[in-house]
Amino acid sequence: QSVLTQPPSASGTPGQRVTISCSGSSSNIGSNTVNWYQQLPGTAPKLLIYTNNQRPSGVPDRFSGSKSGTSASLAISGLQSEDEADYYCATWDDSLNGPVFGGGTKLTVL
Amino acid sequence: EVQLVQSGAEVKKPGESLRISCKGSGYSFTSYWIGWVRQMPGKGLEWMGVMYPGDSYTRYSPSFQGQVTISVDRSISTAYLQWSSLKASDTAMYYCARQRDGYNYRYFDLWGRGTLVTVSS
Repeated sequence: QSVLTQPPSASGTPGQRVTISCSGSSSNIGSNTVNWYQQLPGTAPKLLIYTNNQRPSGVPDRFSGSKSGTSASLAISGLQSEDEADYYCATWDDSLNGPVFGGGTKLTVL
Repeated sequence: EVQLVQSGAEVKKPGESLRISCKGSGYSFTSYWIGWVRQMPGKGLEWMGVMYPGDSYTRYSPSFQGQVTISVDRSISTAYLQWSSLKASDTAMYYCARQRDGYNYRYFDLWGRGTLVTVSS
């Protein structure tokens, strides 16, 4: 049981916009910034969004993040086949005094 | 090139010991926290612990406290994750990752490729 709650799966067709939600509590998302990681099949996770809505260099602006209260979301617009991956939200948990991850959302491009 | 290079896959028997490594290069290794993350087969990411190579200060997730040991050799910019007695349930991919810290933000911005540990009799 992950501390952060994500839907296990999401899907969309090429060109569509999809969103992935991430729900937490006051001790984690509610008081800390949220990050998102993309894990392509058979590879290591990669930082996709940091500090709620910032993109590292090289990440397309099709990816965007937002946070409100104890929830966060990742939006992917202009969906492409290469976006098929697992997506994890993460943040700091003040009770754990360490990072916590969501259970991951498997995105399928139909 | 800024990177974390992890040691190769391991196959061990229950009860054996193991140490896997993570070598940083292209940046000041002692200036950034290094974390370890477990991913069991078909499962999500779990934070195991983190170390600051500059002074070897280490914190563990309660779930992994006493189960593993994180250490560092600053002279060769390498962090380690070790087990004294492996169990079949330790079978997983283990990632090291560099942690960026600041006021009200922390995130892993650089990841190793992972070390697959298989424990089987």
